[in-house]
Amino acid sequence: AQTVTQSQPEMSVQEAETVTLSCTYDTSESDYYLFWYKQPPSRQMILVIRQEAYKQQNATENRFSVNFQKAAKSFSLKISDSQLGDAAMYFCAYRNHYGGATNKLIFGTGTLLAVQP
Amino acid sequence: NAGVTQTPKFRVLKTGQSMTLLCAQDMNHEYMYWYRQDPGMGLRLIHYSVGEGTTAKGEVPDGYNVSRLKKQNFLLGLESAAPSQTSVYFCANGEGLGETQYFGPGTRLLVL
Repeated sequence: AQTVTQSQPEMSVQEAETVTLSCTYDTSESDYYLFWYKQPPSRQMILVIRQEAYKQQNATENRFSVNFQKAAKSFSLKISDSQLGDAAMYFCAYRNHYGGATNKLIFGTGTLLAVQP
Repeated sequence: NAGVTQTPKFRVLKTGQSMTLLCAQDMNHEYMYWYRQDPGMGLRLIHYSVGEGTTAKGEVPDGYNVSRLKKQNFLLGLESAAPSQTSVYFCANGEGLGETQYFGPGTRLLVL
């Protein structure tokens, strides 16, 4: 069974600085998708970034980028120029490409990011 | 364009009571999901649907039932609520395999 591990329960960063959140996963599949979701205090789950495993190039979305290391099964999220609005719980998630009918997301336990002014 | 909406936002139940959580989408996606989120844990899949009239069990289905009579709605039912079902419930939808899932705002349920 696939698992997702986020080893940093909490992180803190100064405004305008850069922070990296770690995520590792375990799977025997070669084709899959990885996601980072942000959950602010409002509890809404917001997609931050998505990576297809077959793509070598790391995904980027404005100030958010990932370091995808397929062989190491590592998928870290880098937030550049951190802003107060980035403060939230961040979840790493995995899904098989050929997951049968479930297409379910497997979540890590989350990293709570605090941004200091 | 509301995306995925959930009703109610918050509810308190007594043990043994029943209730239904409603998820509605205006995105015309085939797949819909119900997750629960507990402290210190990621989201876990309760039930899901791959299209109108279909439902299937997820990771933690016990104590819940679902129905998908219309494509745009996915209902989650608790027949006899238990304190262990105190949680935050999220509905999500998706276009299909490999596609991103979009989440509703969540429903906080407290069972006393």
